[in-house]
Amino acid sequence: QVQLQESGPGLVKPSQTLSLTCTVSGGSISSGYYYWSWIRQPAGKGLEWIGRIYTSGSTNYNPSLKSRVTISVDASKNQFSLMLSSVTAADTAVYYCARARAAIDSWGQGALVTVSS
Amino acid sequence: QSALTQPASVSGSPGQSITISCTGTSSDVGAYNHVSWYQQHPGKAPKLMIYDVTYRPSGVSNRFSGSKSGNTASLTISGLQAEDEADYYCSSWTSSSTLFGGGTKLTVL
Repeated sequence: QVQLQESGPGLVKPSQTLSLTCTVSGGSISSGYYYWSWIRQPAGKGLEWIGRIYTSGSTNYNPSLKSRVTISVDASKNQFSLMLSSVTAADTAVYYCARARAAIDSWGQGALVTVSS
Repeated sequence: QSALTQPASVSGSPGQSITISCTGTSSDVGAYNHVSWYQQHPGKAPKLMIYDVTYRPSGVSNRFSGSKSGNTASLTISGLQAEDEADYYCSSWTSSSTLFGGGTKLTVL
């Protein structure tokens, strides 16, 4: 049973870069032809897909965030990461990392990131 | 890309059935049989309930079923139980993205 755990700063200043890491346990991030994904959810609002990285290393991003987002993988640590630049208060949300083929079958518990000075 | 369209809320009494719709376009819901549904209780991560339009993951009650017609997918919950009260999100996978619906709050009366 694969497990995912988000980690990173819970508070980021406006205009800075949000950085989160997802550690995968119970399976190799390099195998199984999965998309490793990031999704966020502002308080009281719906889910927003941020982007995904495939086992091969190819990436897809939400067009509305594409200019600010980078998702990468560190297979040696069985981790993948999210970087979101030039953040504003609108980026305050719970950030989930997840594993997917077409459907998302495993989710992390979520990490609250607040953008505030 | 636009979010998929779901009703904001639905309600039903215990034992009844409800259906939640999810409308996309011919480029997402209509183009792929990769519609999934997620249940989210307050403060919890979403849980996969239906994948590839009609399939249930192991452990999900057979009271949950999915279907699709054209650009609209649907989730039906039969024999409503109090524990079904939650937010439900549809999602559509495409070759370049994943789309979510805005979510539907299910209230069990």
